[in-house]
Formats: sequence, structure tokens, C-alpha cells
Amino acid sequence: KAGVTQTPRYLIKTRGQQVTLSCSPISGHRSVSWYQQTPGQGLQFLFEYFSETQRNKGNFPGRFSGRQFSNSRSEMNVSTLELGDSALYLCASRLVAGVHEQYFGPGTRLTVT
Amino acid sequence: GESVGLHLPTLSVQEGDNSIINCAYSNSASDYFIWYKQESGKGPQFIIDIRSNMDKRQGQRVTVLLNKTVKHLSLQIAATQPGDSAVYFCAEITGNQFYFGTGTSLTVIP
Repeated sequence: KAGVTQTPRYLIKTRGQQVTLSCSPISGHRSVSWYQQTPGQGLQFLFEYFSETQRNKGNFPGRFSGRQFSNSRSEMNVSTLELGDSALYLCASRLVAGVHEQYFGPGTRLTVT
Repeated sequence: GESVGLHLPTLSVQEGDNSIINCAYSNSASDYFIWYKQESGKGPQFIIDIRSNMDKRQGQRVTVLLNKTVKHLSLQIAATQPGDSAVYFCAEITGNQFYFGTGTSLTVIP
């Protein structure tokens, strides 16, 4: 069974631009969560989607948004990029929300210049 | 928000020795705790979990100990191997939310 895939793997953007990242969960998994990982803050929860609905949201500004499609694939969008948005963005999938075992993708490394 | 901290940011051990990685958590109501391993260029990988009503759980070469009195979690790796070199995170699960520590970088010296 294929794991969680994320595209693109690397991205360089300029301040003020926007970016869209994509995540395909493991087949059959309906819950997708997004995390931001930085050296100083570790993994910070952004949001979780289940059955195309946002179920939980972390403490991030409204510039960070996401959505989930009917095939469980998810995208996250960051608008008006700031230098501090440079991070590794990780997507994790699990069978359903509430199951503790989640599987992470390799991440998208975003660099904002 | 939750505070999940790690006692040491880096740890070096000799190949074959046992490793102990520690983690402190803040919410006594947390339901589950999970240890993850993250190798360079990869996402975190599930290692082992433990329910809050347990104090010890063993896996293959790994043992997790939970001390709820002092809100402390540890991961013990037996006979550490070069392939164990990675960053290790603990995660605290409260309700349906995951809270991660910043990680301990384990280096295995051959």
C-alpha cells in the first residue's frame, strides 16, 4: 500500500506570494492533518480534515487555510507569505479521526525569501 | 496550549549501548502518548504508543515508560544501532489533538 505523498517536495517563494501544497493520504484513510515543523517550535498542528470538513484547527492565522476533496486528498494554502513561514509542512493521514495511529508524508520544504 | 518538552536536545550513544530519551508533558488529562522517529528527509514514523492507564509498554527493542506522578515519559532503545540515529519526538494526545515536543537528536557512534 502506498504511503502518504506530498507535492511538491521543495518550494521557494517570495514574501507576499501565496502557495498551495498537496497531500494524498494512504488509500482508505479519510482523515488528513497538517503540521508545520520548524527547528525552534517543533511540530505545530495546523488543522485536520475529515470527510471534507475541517474538524480541528490549531493556533495559526487565517492566512493558513486548507480543504479536503471527496477522494480524501487535501490541499493547504498559505497566502501573503512571510519569512517566518519557512518550514517543513507535514501531512499525516489516519483511517478516521479519533484513531491514534497516524502516518506522515515526507513533507514539503517551503523557503520564503 | 499544551507544553511537551524534552530534557535534552541531543544525545550521543555508543553502538550497542542502551539509549534513554526523556519527555515531560503538562496535561494530566492526556489520553495517549506516542513516540515518533524522524530520519533526515523523512516524515515522523510511529514507534510505540502507551495509554494513560498504563505505566510500561514494550515493543521490539523499545520500551516506553510513563510516570504520571511527575508527568514524565521515556523511550528506551536497547542495543542501539546506527540505524537508530534520528530525531525522536514524543506526542501527547488530548481529546483528538496531538501535541509534539521539539525532539531529541540521537546520534549513534559506531
